[in-house]
Amino acid sequence: DIQMTQSPASLSASLGETVTIECRASEDIYNGLAWYQQKPGKSPQLLIYNANSLHTGVPSRFSGSGSGTQYSLKINSLQSEDVASYFCQQYYNYPTFGGGTKLELK
Amino acid sequence: EVKLLESGGGLVQPGGSLRLSCAASGFTFTDFYMSWIRQPPGKAPEWLGVIRNKANGYTTEYNPSVKGRFTISRDNTQNILYLQMNTLRAKDTAIYYCARDPLSYGGWDYWGQGVMVTVSS
Repeated sequence: DIQMTQSPASLSASLGETVTIECRASEDIYNGLAWYQQKPGKSPQLLIYNANSLHTGVPSRFSGSGSGTQYSLKINSLQSEDVASYFCQQYYNYPTFGGGTKLELK
Repeated sequence: EVKLLESGGGLVQPGGSLRLSCAASGFTFTDFYMSWIRQPPGKAPEWLGVIRNKANGYTTEYNPSVKGRFTISRDNTQNILYLQMNTLRAKDTAIYYCARDPLSYGGWDYWGQGVMVTVSS
């Protein structure tokens, strides 16, 4: 199975700051990557698919990039409602998730 | 409006069985692949398996970690997805979600609210 290594595990940032979360696959996943946001007590919500496509209704301050084995999620101009955990997930092979990043406000 | 509503969770003893249900509405159920995903408290989600749509014969695939113990099925007349779980272990304790595969791209575009399964004596 494809291992997904996500970093950092936790992150503290200020309102208005730009935040970047990284995800590394154990082999090439050919842009078969999604990012999810999960708030406490809620189910994950799809943000990005195909590594860089914004899901319907997701604010444009979220963006995804990368290729091969290295991918990233960027949040521009951090808002208070962005406080959450974020997970990457590959679907090139049977689906696997990264370990998650917990984003808090500084 | 797409809705997915899980039910059937609870406390079960090790070695026991449980069947989860996921009632789907707001879309043509038979057109979509449906998956089960679980998430132990404080940990990352884990995909358990998928059942394909009508066009693909409702075939199934499973995560090797649960293959042989878990079975996914669907009632396409009542728009219900099922997860039959047998020989449950403490490590199966988690929130269990059903989710819809959007087909035209990867990931899952709609998730249920989740149901808690606790395996403990």
